[in-house]
Amino acid sequence: AQTVTQSQPEMSVQEAETVTLSCTYDTSESNYYLFWYKQPPSRQMILVIRQEAYKQQNATENRFSVNFQKAAKSFSLKISDSQLGDTAMYFCAFMKQEGDSGGSNYKLTFGKGTLLTVNP
Amino acid sequence: EAGVVQSPRYKIIEKKQPVAFWCNPISGHNTLYWYLQNLGQGPELLIRYENEEAVDDSQLPKDRFSAERLKGVDSTLKIQPAELGDSAVYLCASSLDAAYGGELFFGEGSRLTVL
Repeated sequence: AQTVTQSQPEMSVQEAETVTLSCTYDTSESNYYLFWYKQPPSRQMILVIRQEAYKQQNATENRFSVNFQKAAKSFSLKISDSQLGDTAMYFCAFMKQEGDSGGSNYKLTFGKGTLLTVNP
Repeated sequence: EAGVVQSPRYKIIEKKQPVAFWCNPISGHNTLYWYLQNLGQGPELLIRYENEEAVDDSQLPKDRFSAERLKGVDSTLKIQPAELGDSAVYLCASSLDAAYGGELFFGEGSRLTVL
């Protein structure tokens, strides 16, 4: 079974500062996708950023960027210029193809999450 | 464009009672998921539909849980009878191209409390 490990249950950061959330995963596959999802308090989960494993370049979305280390199976999320609205649970997720049935058989596995609090 | 809609948002029932949750995915999204999220945990897949077909229900406790997606659009997740351990948030999500690393769009969830 695939595993996604987020070793930081909780983190806090001051507004305008930078914070990095850690994620490691376990797989023997070479082709897969990695995601960070954000779940604000009492609101729905939304995609923050995604990374294709075959791409060496780290994904970036405005203030959010990742450090993807394929050999180390590490996928950390960096949030720059933290804002109060960034307070949320952040989930790392991994998706790979299953078997030989092309795009129809895949699994998306989430980590346990990191609760990030941005302090004013 | 409307997002994924779930109802009810909150439900409190006594153990052994039945309960049902409804999900309306984003129009045109063929893939629909039901996830279970316990407090302080990440979502765990219960069942995934491709159109009307349940293609992955290996984690669905079939003795008490059932789901359906008639006409490949709306879906209903049912628990009968509910147990204390079923208290959790039930999330519905849909996707257009998740098989190729596409985004999942989530609803706000249905929070179940079993007394």
